[in-house]
Amino acid sequence: QIQLVQSGPELKKPGESVKISCKASGYTFTDYAMHWVKQAPGKGLKWMGWINTYTGKPTYADDFKGRFVFSLEASASTANLQISNLKNEDTATYFCARERQLYLGYFDYWGQGVMVTVSS
Amino acid sequence: DVQMTQSPSYLAASPGESVSISCKASKSINTYLAWYQEKPGKTNKLLIYSGSTLQSGTPSRFSGSGSGTDFTLTIRSLEPEDFAVYYCQQHNEYPLTFGSGTKLEIK
Repeated sequence: QIQLVQSGPELKKPGESVKISCKASGYTFTDYAMHWVKQAPGKGLKWMGWINTYTGKPTYADDFKGRFVFSLEASASTANLQISNLKNEDTATYFCARERQLYLGYFDYWGQGVMVTVSS
Repeated sequence: DVQMTQSPSYLAASPGESVSISCKASKSINTYLAWYQEKPGKTNKLLIYSGSTLQSGTPSRFSGSGSGTDFTLTIRSLEPEDFAVYYCQQHNEYPLTFGSGTKLEIK
């Protein structure tokens, strides 16, 4: 069955970096784009952008340009999100989500989410 | 960016009742609206896309309607497993945007 399994929770200090992984199984990884979504504590969902898993090209929402990097380990069917120079406001749960078909813009499978806590 | 306004933010109902959740877009998104269900310990579930198309596996008691700026998710005859948080999301244009969520609780 199709699954997106994300890495475990992270506790980081301001200024540090974090890398979150999202391992896909049950389908051909490069056939579906992967998106990233942020959920701050007690808040709703915010779209961060996406990566074309065939070409490797990332696209970032405006609020996530600069410190955020989407990458792939296609041979391992894994998408990664790296956040550098962490700030308190990066404290959130980060989800990966598979786009049902390229450019349809909605998500048929989600990861379980990774809680990232930034605290000094 | 398209702002999505979801209401109510909280809804209490009893099993067997029917409920409706509203989602309004700040500009026309045609019919490009999705609904998701969030439950503790489970991954988010796509229920409906393109306004009214049920995702495979979504029970028929769920229905979506609307076009342009006004959309509704209706759940008929609530089952115990339906008590969850529901989000709408427009998939008409980038950046993709979500509503703030509706928590459906048992009365």
